[in-house]
Amino acid sequence: DAKTTQPPSMDCAEGRAANLPCNHSTISGNEYVYWYRQIHSQGPQYIIHGLKNNETNEMASLIITEDRKSSTLILPHATLRDTAVYYCITHGSSNTGKLIFGQGTTLQVKP
Amino acid sequence: EAEVAQSPRYKITEKSQAVAFWCDPISGHATLYWYRQILGQGPELLVQFQDESVVDDSQLPKDRFSAERLKGVDSTLKIQPAELGDSAMYLCASSFTPNTEAFFGQGTRLTVV
Repeated sequence: DAKTTQPPSMDCAEGRAANLPCNHSTISGNEYVYWYRQIHSQGPQYIIHGLKNNETNEMASLIITEDRKSSTLILPHATLRDTAVYYCITHGSSNTGKLIFGQGTTLQVKP
Repeated sequence: EAEVAQSPRYKITEKSQAVAFWCDPISGHATLYWYRQILGQGPELLVQFQDESVVDDSQLPKDRFSAERLKGVDSTLKIQPAELGDSAMYLCASSFTPNTEAFFGQGTRLTVV
């Protein structure tokens, strides 16, 4: 699985959009981009994943660049409950299922 | 909404004692994972099952850790004897297949004293 690079921390004002970047310049053609988050003392929570096209669900939107070397997770209206560590992970369709977590981005949503 | 169930939620044990964690995956999920998360770090895979078979236990310290999933449903992770360095969060996750999104339980916070 390709290595990902994320900023260690970010702040966001409550009610504003939170845009979390992720670089994955060595991603291969069959690797998906997955996002998970982990709220303090809880298990990681699946958010969204995508391959090439932009994706949206009830939690977030995922924007993947055309060359697939980077992506952005967008929380459209951040709330205090969105404060968490956000992990960007690449995951190949041919691998065993193992997720390799990096350090992630700690998002602090402020009132 | 279906969830991965884990118990206990917290466990304190003395070093050299045995400890066990239990996980019940989401119904129908054939793939089950045990991860360990040390404070301040991301989770790391210990063992992965496909149905009742182990498909990856390369990071499992087999001298003291064991895991089983006898009927291909729920699973138990055991540590014997526990060491101080085993203090961590132990997370169970499941997925429909290895190539679909995994869902995590709330974890078991282990403290070895």
